[in-house]
Amino acid sequence: EAQVTQNPRYLITVTGKKLTVTCSQNMNHEYMSWYRQDPGLGLRQIYYSMNVEVTDKGDVPEGYKVSRKEKRNFPLILESPSPNQTSLYFCASRTLAGDRNEQFFGPGTRLTVL
Amino acid sequence: EDKVVQSPLSLVVHEGDTVTLNCSYEVTNFRSLLWYKQEKKAPTFLFMLTSSGIEKKSGRLSSILDKKELFSILNITATQTGDSAVYLCAVERGGSNYKLTFGKGTLLTVNP
Repeated sequence: EAQVTQNPRYLITVTGKKLTVTCSQNMNHEYMSWYRQDPGLGLRQIYYSMNVEVTDKGDVPEGYKVSRKEKRNFPLILESPSPNQTSLYFCASRTLAGDRNEQFFGPGTRLTVL
Repeated sequence: EDKVVQSPLSLVVHEGDTVTLNCSYEVTNFRSLLWYKQEKKAPTFLFMLTSSGIEKKSGRLSSILDKKELFSILNITATQTGDSAVYLCAVERGGSNYKLTFGKGTLLTVNP
């Protein structure tokens, strides 16, 4: 089944404790992206990647890092989480080939930083 | 800065009603406009629109884009309680980013 998976789905942590949210897709998509969703603010892009070893900032990159060492994986790293990073996080992927260009979303990771 | 504005922000209707959701946008180098449905989980794809005036249809849902006036509408006819959700409009930028800029969504509640 074609899908985007994220782990963990729920995480409660404390300020300053490094964490990684994994994202993996099995559709051989070149493009992957991270979004956060907050009440009243909607979905905002954090980082994106056009292909292996190619990443760039979105609208709200502060406090986050990403890496793209393999095509299928795009982990989101919070080196020193803070309470304002409490949010619902979505990973998405998309092919850059042909005219089918919708982004497929993972199930989401609800993060609480105390 | 890219901008997407959806209206109304929320809507309550009765089963069987027809609803129209609006989306206006400003984006540098437009590539496409997408509609998603979100029901307490990940957004699920509904439509992708790239050309003006061509209606996309799927069952009771349909959508159309006006690239001159920079807006799109999503119509749902004969609404059902299962249509209750947040409907998200997003525009995708052209060039090398493919960034999606989302509106804040329209919360649709369909009462029996």
